[in-house]
Amino acid sequence: AQSVAQPEDQVNVAEGNPLTVKCTYSVSGNPYLFWYVQYPNRGLQFLLKYITGDNLVKGSYGFEAEFNKSQTSFHLKKPSALVSDSALYFCASGSARQLTFGSGTQLTVLP
Amino acid sequence: NAGVTQTPKFRVLKTGQSMTLLCAQDMNHEYMYWYRQDPGMGLRLIHYSVGEGTTAKGEVPDGYNVSRLKKQNFLLGLESAAPSQTSVYFCASSQGQGGTYEQYFGPGTRLTVT
Repeated sequence: AQSVAQPEDQVNVAEGNPLTVKCTYSVSGNPYLFWYVQYPNRGLQFLLKYITGDNLVKGSYGFEAEFNKSQTSFHLKKPSALVSDSALYFCASGSARQLTFGSGTQLTVLP
Repeated sequence: NAGVTQTPKFRVLKTGQSMTLLCAQDMNHEYMYWYRQDPGMGLRLIHYSVGEGTTAKGEVPDGYNVSRLKKQNFLLGLESAAPSQTSVYFCASSQGQGGTYEQYFGPGTRLTVT
């Protein structure tokens, strides 16, 4: 069985500051890890994924994520937050045919 | 390209009524999925399809049925709606296996069962 956990329901950060949204995983074998973002009243949008290779993955809109095998973490980061980054963020792990999503973290960037 | 579209956008049902949600994609994707989203629970997979004419159960399949008669369409049916099925339903598609490929999501259908 595989699972992901997002320990924070809500993250607040000031505009211009760096942001981190946390995710830890529990999977057997090599993990396939994803981040998706959901804006209000919209479907999810893909941000980035880790399959193998470089531990720092770069994605859309200036986001990046760091894969840490020893800590079983895949935290989402951005050096300088924008108000428009305010949204619901989901971490997910992939098996052969399915994604398993975390419970989501609401990110609010304060002007 | 429209991507993934869903109809209807909103629906209110009474307990015991039936309905069908339609998902369509124009990206020629083999894989399609139906999820439900409930507050604090993320998205949970209801059913999925790995190609035309195939369907498989996901994490929470009870009370739902699906059909994939055409590659571009994936239908989700509720035979006898219950208040516990009040949720937001999302359809998604992917080029390859859903655990390794990016999934593209529709805008969602908000269903209320009274």
